[in-house]
Amino acid sequence: NAGVTQTPKFRVLKTGQSMTLLCAQDMNHEYMYWYRQDPGMGLRLIHYSVGEGTTAKGEVPDGYNVSRLKKQNFLLGLESAAPSQTSVYFCASRETSSKLFFGSGTQLSVL
Amino acid sequence: QQQVKQSPQSLIVQKGGISIINCAYENTAFDYFPWYQQFPGKGPALLIAIRPDVSEKKEGRFTISFNKSAKQFSLHIMDSQPGDSATYFCAASKQTGANNLFFGTGTRLTVIP
Repeated sequence: NAGVTQTPKFRVLKTGQSMTLLCAQDMNHEYMYWYRQDPGMGLRLIHYSVGEGTTAKGEVPDGYNVSRLKKQNFLLGLESAAPSQTSVYFCASRETSSKLFFGSGTQLSVL
Repeated sequence: QQQVKQSPQSLIVQKGGISIINCAYENTAFDYFPWYQQFPGKGPALLIAIRPDVSEKKEGRFTISFNKSAKQFSLHIMDSQPGDSATYFCAASKQTGANNLFFGTGTRLTVIP
């Protein structure tokens, strides 16, 4: 049982490049989330999904897009990367209980 | 605006001592208060959680104290061990709707032998 898997684990981008982060969960969870973690700022919610085909904005959605075409996958896209998007990105999922299951993170650097 | 305020930012405790981390919130609609533990290179993992109908919850060496009137809650780690060295995040959410968690800024705990 892999839980929540994030790919890639590390990535370096140049300003203006685009990329997609993939999150996959094998627990059949309805809810999925993308957070970013920055020093001194904790975890901030970017976007979330309450089920297949649905997405919604979180606290810091600007510059990001998401898609949930399949229940097990939640994709986070950066259309035109900026240095301010240098961060560690975490995906999480949950079922009806409040417990979040996190992936191990993607460290992204934008030069 | 930070929905949940956490202090201290960092904490150093001797082995066997008590570690205390404090959090405060403003939104009285919050009704679920978890603590997450994060080791370097890993994602956060749920440690313990409390709902506002009780003032304290204990699981092993970890205790949450909750003060509804003051809108504050804290994590106490008794008999702290070097293996407890990690970053701890408090969080809060409403149990209705999407139940999005709002996290504090984190406390880096170091337990020295």
